[in-house]
This record gives sequence, structure tokens and C-alpha cells, in this order.
Amino acid sequence: EVQLVQSGAEVRKPGESLKISCKGSGYIFVTGSIAWVRQMPGKGLEWMGVISAADSDTNYSPSFEGHVTISADKSINTAYLQWSSLNASDTAIYYCARRGSGSISTFDYWGQGTLVTVSS
Amino acid sequence: QSALTQPRSVSASPGQSVTMSCTGTSSDIGTYNYVSWFQQYPGKAPQLVIYDVTKRPSGVPDRFSGSKSGNTASLTISGLQAADEADYYCCSYAGRYIVIFGGGTKLNVL
Repeated sequence: EVQLVQSGAEVRKPGESLKISCKGSGYIFVTGSIAWVRQMPGKGLEWMGVISAADSDTNYSPSFEGHVTISADKSINTAYLQWSSLNASDTAIYYCARRGSGSISTFDYWGQGTLVTVSS
Repeated sequence: QSALTQPRSVSASPGQSVTMSCTGTSSDIGTYNYVSWFQQYPGKAPQLVIYDVTKRPSGVPDRFSGSKSGNTASLTISGLQAADEADYYCCSYAGRYIVIFGGGTKLNVL
């Protein structure tokens, strides 16, 4: 069974750094890509970027490039999303989603989401 | 790239059919047949219900169908059930390895 398991909820202060994770299981990790999707409170889904699990090639939405970093460690089947300096506006649920062998917008399995709260 | 445009809400009664739209541009929906639809219940992760405009993942009932005309994609749910009440999001490839989502449509089953 394909599963994406994300790290737990986090609370940080503005200006602090953070790295959250997404661990894949039940499939060959390097055969897919992992995308990150933001959902701000009461709002819709926003595609942030994607990383190829095989070679760590990344593509970012222009809206997020420069503010977050997406990485992966294929030796432990895990993708990451990190911030070096958080803003209050980063408060949101962050989902990882797998793009398997399908087309670029086919996100067939999703993690349970990680709630990030940024507050002073 | 701007977000795709979806109506904020649609409503229909059990047993009826409902169609919700997702409008993009000639740079995304109009060019690529890479449109997906996701169902999201409150407090839950999204689930894929349609991909590549018309295809259904295994396990998704054939009451769900997708189509596209020009710059607009549509999701139709027939034989509406109370369990279909959820938020629905479309997304499309927009070129240069970028994907964009719509703002979401809340489906009310009256």
C-alpha cells in the first residue's frame, strides 16, 4: 500500500527556520516525484513545487521560489520542505503528494498534512 | 501564472447531476490535456478523482466524469449522494514544469 507519512505539527516564531518531512513507502520511491501543496486557513490549494526523487531535480512555483527549499534523500525515501526564515503568512497546512508514473498533474497519493503555525 | 477560476459553490439535490467548471487560459488548460480534479472533505487530505481530463483512478465511481472544451475543464457528478458533499479542486499543467490549482468549488448536496 502506497503511503506518504508527514512529520507532525510545528509551532515557530517569525524569523525562525523549519524543515518538515514526507516519507514514502509501499512503492519504489525513485520512480516518482513529490510535490508540496500549501493550504492556508480556510483557503484553497496552492502548488509550491516538485522534486524528482531519482535525481532531486526541482521546479518551483514563481510564488514560492526563493522562500522555500525542496529537497529529498532517496536513501531514506523522504522528501523535505524547509524555510530559513518564517513569516506569519506561512501559517498553513502543507501537504506532500506523489506524482507516480502518471502525467505531471496526476497526484495520486497524498500525505496527511503538516500544520505549521507561525506566531510570536 | 494565475490560479484557475472555479465557481465558489454549486448546489444540487440527491440523485441529480451537477457540473462544475474550471476556467484557465490558452497557456494551461487550452494547451495541455493534463487536468486533474481532487475531492477534499473538511480536515482531510485531497483525493484524486479525475486525471488527464477524463480518466478515473481505480476505486472512483463512474458517476464522476471529466471533460474539456477550449480553455475550460468540467467535472460532472451524476446520481449525487450526500457523501459527495465536499470541496473540489481542479489543477492543470501550465508549461515549464509548473502546475496551478483552481480556487475550489464547494459542492452542496441539498
